[in-house]
Amino acid sequence: GIQVEQSPPDLILQEGANSTLRCNFSDSVNNLQWFHQNPWGQLINLFYIPSGTKQNGRLSATTVATERYSLLYISSSQTTDSGVYFCAVVASGGSYIPTFGRGTSLIVHP
Amino acid sequence: DTAVSQTPKYLVTQMGNDKSIKCEQNLGHDTMYWYKQDSKKFLKIMFSYNNKELIINETVPNRFSPKSPDKAHLNLHINSLELGDSAVYFCASSQQGPVGELFFGEGSRLTVL
Repeated sequence: GIQVEQSPPDLILQEGANSTLRCNFSDSVNNLQWFHQNPWGQLINLFYIPSGTKQNGRLSATTVATERYSLLYISSSQTTDSGVYFCAVVASGGSYIPTFGRGTSLIVHP
Repeated sequence: DTAVSQTPKYLVTQMGNDKSIKCEQNLGHDTMYWYKQDSKKFLKIMFSYNNKELIINETVPNRFSPKSPDKAHLNLHINSLELGDSAVYFCASSQQGPVGELFFGEGSRLTVL
């Protein structure tokens, strides 16, 4: 099946810093999503972005499908950004299983 | 008004017992899923139903049995619980099958003693 690798696995920032999270995938996809799992365990939808660029406030995401990667940008980070960020993909053709990466754990210190 | 809701949110039980987790979505989606999140936060799909029909059944012990009475509900029944079943179980739904945007419930934390 498709392989999904996220980097870095862990990230520690001071409030106000910017960061870039990366998701690489091993096959072509027709669905890619970014999620934030907050410290209470809720999985929150950030972006549905199989290709192109989207922005929502301080967060933006870009997927370059032809090169098999997606980036999540967090600007002016806040303590409430802490948690785990997951990338999930569905490979084109094949079993259509939504497959998650292992996540990037982000801690933002005040 | 919660879009994907799961009950119960917490479940503590003894080894060998049988338990169920219920899931309901009011988004009008046609596909529902169960995911298991282990202690290392890895999310692994267990089952997927499309319009009440099983379409994905990953390598999961037979003790786990999903049931979809209608397309808005997908329940998970677990027989003869084992210590290794302790995890957070998430229900999710999407429109247009797996290519649609996934929406998750709040999770059900199962602890087996």
